[in-house]
Amino acid sequence: QVQLVQSGAEVKKPGASVKVSCKASGYTFTSYGISWVRQAPGQGLEWMGWISAYNGNTNYAQKLQGRVTMTTDTSTSTAYMELRSLRSDDTAVYYCARGLGTTDYWGQGTLVTVSS
Amino acid sequence: QSVLTQPPSVSGAPGQRVTISCTGSSSNIGAGYDVHWYQQLPGTAPKLLIYGNSNRPSGVPDRFSGSKSGTSASLAITGLQAEDEADYYCQSYDSSLSGLFGGGTKLTVL
Repeated sequence: QVQLVQSGAEVKKPGASVKVSCKASGYTFTSYGISWVRQAPGQGLEWMGWISAYNGNTNYAQKLQGRVTMTTDTSTSTAYMELRSLRSDDTAVYYCARGLGTTDYWGQGTLVTVSS
Repeated sequence: QSVLTQPPSVSGAPGQRVTISCTGSSSNIGAGYDVHWYQQLPGTAPKLLIYGNSNRPSGVPDRFSGSKSGTSASLAITGLQAEDEADYYCQSYDSSLSGLFGGGTKLTVL
């Protein structure tokens, strides 16, 4: 069965970086892309971007350009999302999901808390 | 403010039918990009409910249906059940293939 398992919760100080992992299983990793979505406490979903696991092509949300990098490691079927220069409003649950358009399987979410 | 506009809340009694609208523009939904719908139960990850405007993934009851017309899309839920109480989000794209989410609609089953 398809599963996306994300890394554990993180607490970071403003200005720091965080790297969240998303390990995929149950399907051919390179046949699908990975999208990243975040949700601030009590707020709606925010699309962050996607990466093709086939060729590494990326498409980032304009507001995160320059601060976010998405990568994949095909040898371990793992996707990564790194966010730099963290601010308090980056506090959110970060989700990875399979697919670039239709996202049919989601990870369990990773809470990233940015606090001094 | 989300580019795709949804009503903040809708409600209905068990057994009733409710609809949730998702209004975009000629730059996204109206440009022909597909609309997907997600259901998010409290404390859980979103679940794909409708893809490609009107298609249901395996396992989603046929009480849920989606449609699209012009610059808008709708999610309809018939035979409302208590377990349908959740947040619902629409998603589409813009010309740069960047994802867009609606602000979300909280469904309350009375």
